[in-house]
Amino acid sequence: GAVVSQHPSWVICKSGTSVKIECRSLDFQATTMFWYRQFPKQSLMLMATSNEGSKATYEQGVEKDKFLINHASLTLSTLTVTSAHPEDSSFYICSAFLLAGLNIQYFGAGTRLSVL
Amino acid sequence: AQSVTQLDSQVPVFEEAPVELRCNYSSSVSVYLFWYVQYPNQGLQLLLKYLSGSTLVESINGFEAEFNKSQTSFHLRKPSVHISDTAEYFCAVSASGGATNKLIFGTGTLLAVQP
Repeated sequence: GAVVSQHPSWVICKSGTSVKIECRSLDFQATTMFWYRQFPKQSLMLMATSNEGSKATYEQGVEKDKFLINHASLTLSTLTVTSAHPEDSSFYICSAFLLAGLNIQYFGAGTRLSVL
Repeated sequence: AQSVTQLDSQVPVFEEAPVELRCNYSSSVSVYLFWYVQYPNQGLQLLLKYLSGSTLVESINGFEAEFNKSQTSFHLRKPSVHISDTAEYFCAVSASGGATNKLIFGTGTLLAVQP
């Protein structure tokens, strides 16, 4: 149980285009999901907390108009990187908080974004 | 606020040798502690956790970690490693009873098991 699916796993796009990444909890409902960004050989940096039915809470320094988050249902959160630029190239990982599972986050497999 | 320190960025070890990956944390409130493992180009997998109760926690693949409140540590150990244990290991902390359940990660330790 507690599987989180993230799609796509790898995406290449041209500079100036937008990219949408999906995060789904497959066998449980997640009222809260998290989006992280990971640079090569570095740790995960929390970008935002996504709450179902309300606006996402962004960490300091993260541009909310650049990284649009939508949590429209209890099993799906999306991250859209708008007008992507090469400096947005990174590994993006989502996680879902299993409320009934004693404060444990389950992670997706990640999405590697390469902006040319 | 919480913070996590993983002093060792890389730990090389020979197969079947014991290993310890160090993790220290700081927090003004009670915490939950986690170890996650990340294989290349993959997401994170929960390895083990300390929420309450016994300070020694174990995983199904032979890893264990001990919560030491006085030393604010949560070191990860395995008595005999395998090649397949080669991965990045992240220690993480969250405030127990916190409203947001944010995870704060350490910078990670690459465990490199050599034959």
